[in-house]
Amino acid sequence: EDKVVQSPLSLVVHEGDTVTLNCSYEVTNFRSLLWYKQEKKAPTFLFMLTSSGIEKKSGRLSSILDKKELFSILNITATQTGDSAIYLCAVTQGGSEKLVFGKGTKLTVNP
Amino acid sequence: EAGVTQFPSHSVIEKGQTVTLRCDPISGHDNLYWYRRVMGKEIKFLLHFVKESKQDESGMPNNRFLAERTGGTYSTLKVQPAELEDSGVYFCASSLGLWSSYNSPLHFGNGTRLTVT
Repeated sequence: EDKVVQSPLSLVVHEGDTVTLNCSYEVTNFRSLLWYKQEKKAPTFLFMLTSSGIEKKSGRLSSILDKKELFSILNITATQTGDSAIYLCAVTQGGSEKLVFGKGTKLTVNP
Repeated sequence: EAGVTQFPSHSVIEKGQTVTLRCDPISGHDNLYWYRRVMGKEIKFLLHFVKESKQDESGMPNNRFLAERTGGTYSTLKVQPAELEDSGVYFCASSLGLWSSYNSPLHFGNGTRLTVT
């Protein structure tokens, strides 16, 4: 069965810390991996990764994909309280429009 | 541009009752998706509309769930009769074309939290 596993499931850090969130996957006909941030309501898009080894970066957030080892990481540097959220990883498969999600990592950044 | 809008934001019903959730996609978006998150589990795909046609309904859990998109605009998801295990957050998302082909992300709504007691 296709699955996406995120770790840790929850994480509590202090402002200024750097965090690394993990996402591993086992799916047939992998096409892309996406990261979403969910604060209170709608998940909002962060990154889409399709190629191994190419880092995507947006401000203090960055992400990279390893298609050989079947995982991705999401890094957040100099965390702020506004980074507190659930971070969702999802993958897509060729021939399908659906996203296969992991359970998410709940990040809490304390002042 | 208005985002994906879902109504109601929260619904509490008793087991055996009927509930209808509504999703208004971003104007002009032909593709509409329903997802669901049950407590403690992953967000799971339910179905995908292209205009008014069901493109993929492989995630619909059983025949108590009926999704429609008459006229290809807004969509409804009816649960009849509701069971306790239907409790969760129901998300709707939309995209202009096949989002994966355009490498553009799906736009999600805020979700409807359904509680069945």
